[in-house]
Amino acid sequence: DTGVSQNPRHKITKRGQNVTFRCDPISEHNRLYWYRQTLGQGPEFLTYFQNEAQLEKSRLLSDRFSAERPKGSFSTLEIQRTEQGDSAMYLCASSRGQSNEKLFFGSGTQLSVL
Amino acid sequence: GEDVEQSLFLSVREGDSSVINCTYTDSSSTYLYWYKQEPGAGLQLLTYIFSNMDMKQDQRLTVLLNKKDKHLSLRIADTQTGDSAIYFCAERGSGGYNKLIFGAGTRLAVHP
Repeated sequence: DTGVSQNPRHKITKRGQNVTFRCDPISEHNRLYWYRQTLGQGPEFLTYFQNEAQLEKSRLLSDRFSAERPKGSFSTLEIQRTEQGDSAMYLCASSRGQSNEKLFFGSGTQLSVL
Repeated sequence: GEDVEQSLFLSVREGDSSVINCTYTDSSSTYLYWYKQEPGAGLQLLTYIFSNMDMKQDQRLTVLLNKKDKHLSLRIADTQTGDSAIYFCAERGSGGYNKLIFGAGTRLAVHP
């Protein structure tokens, strides 16, 4: 069990640029979640995958955001035309999909939009 | 809708017990969780409780659930400086695909 891995750890970009984050879940986990966390707040749900299928998206996820999990393993989250309001910690979590649904989180990607 | 509320800050002396409180709104929540977050890190699952239980103990951690009042608490016995962190309460929502809904977190400061 190597844990959930996220890359990069930090990303600084200029407003209007596109950014992509990667998440590698725990290998036997079939569920993968993306959350966003801003300073002083708890994580807010963005989207969820069961294997390669994206089953739920939050209304927080505007058209500029897209997430994929092409082979049911790693996932990417892309933000197009970044805005300063996108600055946040983006957290990925995975789980086995059992009834008690224990989510294991990565260390996150800290995005700063200048 | 689903909502989870926590007090924002708690300060305790090393060696004392800490009690962190949480209220939630979704009466159909099946599981409730406590996560710990240290600076610059992701969230670490501490413990969870099934909604048909009223107490769960795990070493220094005791979780109490009052389902009638929708109140959850986490007691940390013999609090140490290493326990200083932000603690998040989360409920497994009844809607959607079992996503967790988090509170804003309680910052625990442990002083000598």
